[in-house]
Amino acid sequence: EIVMTQSPATLSVSPGERATLSCRASQSVSSNLAWYQQKPGQAPRLLISGASTRATGIPARFSGSGSGTEFTLTISSLQSEDFAVYYCQQYSNWPPFTFGPGTKVDIK
Amino acid sequence: QVQLVQSGAEVKKPGASVKVSCKASGYTFTSYDINWVRQATGQGLEWMGWMNPNSGNTGYAQKFQGRVTMTRNTSISTAYMELSSLRSEDTAVYYCARPQWLGWFDPWGQGTLVTVSS
Repeated sequence: EIVMTQSPATLSVSPGERATLSCRASQSVSSNLAWYQQKPGQAPRLLISGASTRATGIPARFSGSGSGTEFTLTISSLQSEDFAVYYCQQYSNWPPFTFGPGTKVDIK
Repeated sequence: QVQLVQSGAEVKKPGASVKVSCKASGYTFTSYDINWVRQATGQGLEWMGWMNPNSGNTGYAQKFQGRVTMTRNTSISTAYMELSSLRSEDTAVYYCARPQWLGWFDPWGQGTLVTVSS
């Protein structure tokens, strides 16, 4: 099973600032990596697939990068609606699909 | 638009079973797998298994083998996840989700809260 880790667990950022979230896989997942955003009481929402391809309707301030075992989600200028929990997920080697433990982005 | 709509919240006693439904619309139900993911309160996402609505084939995470059953009714475009021998640790929100192409999930159902309490 591929284990996903994320850092930091919590990231405190001021509106308008850049946020950089990290995700690491225990073995290479190539570019088979997705990012999701989850707000309280809501289902996860797909942001990025293929490590760097934004999903339909996702603003350009969200960008993903990386391959192999190291990945980054960058939010270039945080808006109020971006404060949420972010999860990465690998789909390179399944079953099982595995998710990271999440990074909470909160207001500084 | 593509949508997955799940059944409502459930309260069950330890040892009981729960069956959650997931109704698909906006696409051909038999053309895409349905996966189930759960999330305990304040915790992360845990993948439970998949089902192919066309064949009925299933695959379950090892943790849930023997306790989970995923089925479907193609005539009403609905998938089901049944979890048996419930315990308090099964209290969680259960989501259905449709995998795209290689395996990212989009869309997700709205979630169903299952509470296990005596």
